[in-house]
Amino acid sequence: DVKVTQSSRYLVKRTGEKVFLECVQDMDHENMFWYRQDPGLGLRLIYFSYDVKMKEKGDIPEGYSVSREKKERFSLILESASTNQTSMYLCASRGGGASNSPLHFGNGTRLTVT
Amino acid sequence: GNSVTQMEGPVTLSEEAFLTINCTYTATGYPSLFWYVQYPGEGLQLLLKATKADDKGSNKGFEATYRKETTSFHLEKGSVQVSDSAVYFCALKGGSTLGRLYFGRGTQLTVWP
Repeated sequence: DVKVTQSSRYLVKRTGEKVFLECVQDMDHENMFWYRQDPGLGLRLIYFSYDVKMKEKGDIPEGYSVSREKKERFSLILESASTNQTSMYLCASRGGGASNSPLHFGNGTRLTVT
Repeated sequence: GNSVTQMEGPVTLSEEAFLTINCTYTATGYPSLFWYVQYPGEGLQLLLKATKADDKGSNKGFEATYRKETTSFHLEKGSVQVSDSAVYFCALKGGSTLGRLYFGRGTQLTVWP
């Protein structure tokens, strides 16, 4: 079974702090994704990566950056956390073979910025 | 562009009732369509998928048929259980994208005994 592990389940940070959210997958997947989930808005794509050191902006990249130095790890960085970044963050990965292979999600990190 | 619209919730049903959650889409090319489910406290997991027109995806008693003529992929189950209480997301993957999925806003389902 594919396992996508997010380093923290709950995180509380202060406004202005630099925040790192880590995600690791164990299936050698090429594609990795960061979404945020908010009530009434569903899932919105922040960034994704289709290979090591490659990244693409999603729909809401402002205020975020990402890092993919190794294939199994995809980090989301909040350079200066703000209260409107309080949300549930979901990491996902997907193999690059069959174009319809499913996304595999981690259990999420609930971030609160105070 | 690509987008997914699904019916707003919450949906509340009694056990053994019939479930329909509507999903329609707009897409360029020939998309693949998915339903994901999120149980409380967990990430999303794939429930079923369909990759071409008239395909029917099914899993755990849930079904959805890819209807190109109505651009729809409605989720159905004949008899829901309390354990089906979750949030359901419709999603599409366009033919020309780099592997990203486009999600609907999710529909909360609560089933009472």
